[in-house]
Amino acid sequence: AQSVAQPEDQVNVAEGNPLTVKCTYSVSGNPYLFWYVQYPNRGLQFLLKYITGDNLVKGSYGFEAEFNKSQTSFHLKKPSALVSDSALYFCAVRDLGTSGTYKYIFGTGTRLKVLA
Amino acid sequence: DGGITQSPKYLFRKEGQNVTLSCEQNLNHDAMYWYRQDPGQGLRLIYYSQIVNDFQKGDIAEGYSVSREKKESFPLTVTSAQKNPTAFYLCASRVNTGELFFGEGSRLTVL
Repeated sequence: AQSVAQPEDQVNVAEGNPLTVKCTYSVSGNPYLFWYVQYPNRGLQFLLKYITGDNLVKGSYGFEAEFNKSQTSFHLKKPSALVSDSALYFCAVRDLGTSGTYKYIFGTGTRLKVLA
Repeated sequence: DGGITQSPKYLFRKEGQNVTLSCEQNLNHDAMYWYRQDPGQGLRLIYYSQIVNDFQKGDIAEGYSVSREKKESFPLTVTSAQKNPTAFYLCASRVNTGELFFGEGSRLTVL
């Protein structure tokens, strides 16, 4: 079965500094990978995805992610962090469930705190 | 505007009661999903459905039930058999481009 791991429960970064939120995956075949962000007591918002093509994927709000097949990683990055980026971030992978229906497996989440 | 509506946003339940969480979408999406979120555990899949009248169990289906009588609606019932139902419940549908679109969630607290 497919899975993703987010090794850091929390990441702290100073405003204006680059940020990285880590995600590693375990899949058979080609991975479909996603990043989502969640603000308190809200649903998840889609940031970006990797399906195929360029290893550097650009998404919403200035975020990007680098797909690395050899390291089985899909780290989320942003060149300059904002205080408003403080939130809970989830990595996810698409898996094929029963009856041929896709299901999505999420990591445990990483809380990002951007300090002013 | 298109979206997913989850209701109620907050719900309190006494032990032994069944409750039903509503999820309605006007996005014309086929596939819908229910997740449970607990602190430090991420999102765990309860049930999912590709089409009307068909659904599959996820990783933590015990104590839950669903129906899919209409494309737009995918209600989740938390039964009294669910041992620890206090959680944040998220409904989602799958966009044609592959990602999930989420509702705003329902927070269930068992008193």
